[in-house]
Amino acid sequence: DAKTTQPNSMESNEEEPVHLPCNHSTISGTDYIHWYRQLPSQGPEYVIHGLTSNVNNRMASLAIAEDRKSSTLILHRATLRDAAVYYCILRDSGAGSYQLTFGKGTKLSVIP
Amino acid sequence: DTEVTQTPKHLVMGMTNKKSLKCEQHMGHRAMYWYKQKAKKPPELMFVYSYEKLSINESVPSRFSPECPNSSLLNLHLHALQPEDSALYLCASSQDIRDIKSGANVLTFGAGSRLTVL
Repeated sequence: DAKTTQPNSMESNEEEPVHLPCNHSTISGTDYIHWYRQLPSQGPEYVIHGLTSNVNNRMASLAIAEDRKSSTLILHRATLRDAAVYYCILRDSGAGSYQLTFGKGTKLSVIP
Repeated sequence: DTEVTQTPKHLVMGMTNKKSLKCEQHMGHRAMYWYKQKAKKPPELMFVYSYEKLSINESVPSRFSPECPNSSLLNLHLHALQPEDSALYLCASSQDIRDIKSGANVLTFGAGSRLTVL
């Protein structure tokens, strides 16, 4: 399975934009890029996903590099509620396993 | 209803006890999952049910026994556990195992059941 690499931790000031990077240099053509986050004492929750084009939803934006070897999750204005572990996950839509396999993720701290 | 409900929230059991964790969803999802999460580690997949049939067992020891009585319910039966089995057990559901067309197959997770084995 293609793997992802994320920084262990990041800090952001409240109400500032946050850019969370993810490297996936061995991504295959059928891999979708998914992001989930896990708030303290809660189960993970879906944030966003994409294949090739940049994606926006009410929670965040996903910017995907042209060669698809990296992507960035963008939180436009960080709030204290955004403090969580963010997981970047590749999911194979082809014949391979499509299961959600978590890596170590990035722990985001938001400073008031 | 867009929730996955897990009970109990906390469970303490001895190594000789038999207990069960329960998970319920009413979103019409046909795939359900059990994950295990140790402290400060990412969740690890244990089991996947698709249309009430066990689809994936990630080499989980037999002291963990999953059951899917119907499409809304998922149980995890626990017997003869070890202290190292203490963890947060997360249940999740999704519309189907995979969604090739959109690549989504979004999982909705419950808040988890925190298990302590003495």
